[in-house]
Amino acid sequence: DAGITQSPRYKITETGRQVTLMCHQTWSHSYMFWYRQDLGHGLRLIYYSAAADITDKGEVPDGYVVSRSKTENFPLTLESATRSQTSVYFCASRGGSRYEQYFGPGTRLTVT
Amino acid sequence: GNSVTQMEGPVTLSEEAFLTINCTYTATGYPSLFWYVQYPGEGLQLLLKATKADDKGSNKGFEATYRKETTSFHLEKGSVQVSDSAVYFCALSESSGNTPLVFGKGTRLSVIA
Repeated sequence: DAGITQSPRYKITETGRQVTLMCHQTWSHSYMFWYRQDLGHGLRLIYYSAAADITDKGEVPDGYVVSRSKTENFPLTLESATRSQTSVYFCASRGGSRYEQYFGPGTRLTVT
Repeated sequence: GNSVTQMEGPVTLSEEAFLTINCTYTATGYPSLFWYVQYPGEGLQLLLKATKADDKGSNKGFEATYRKETTSFHLEKGSVQVSDSAVYFCALSESSGNTPLVFGKGTRLSVIA
């Protein structure tokens, strides 16, 4: 199916564990983004990528790692999860500089 | 830097009421402006957009006009329905287009029958 998908949709993990959230898009969009959404904070940008092998920090990058070896994939890794990283994570992609962003369905992550 | 300010919610309206959600922005140059909607349990969806001054974006009965003189992009709908209950986000893309969208904090709308 065309579009942007995220996996898993729900994840429960323990403090200190490594967890990777996957994002895949089928449009060959050059830009991809990771956001977290928390009550009272709206959407906050974690990392983004303008193309394969090019990534840049957003507003709240600490504790997260990203890579982009292929245009269509943009995984987000929490190297050592903390309770403060409990959140809903959204991936998004954008085809060009002045185009709108398309969002995935989100991953709800709970760190216990 | 660029920023977007939205009216704080929640906003509660009766069905068929008129809706306005205010959005103002700060940006250099000529940004593009967007409204996104997030239904419960889902990701954000583009609702409408405008790319230059005086443009009007419209979709599903919602409208917003890009007002450069007042740096505003207010969302309006003449008659809301229960199915419009959602969180609405205003956003801008700076004129260079090389940076991520800047989002407002979102406004939760609840429509009651």
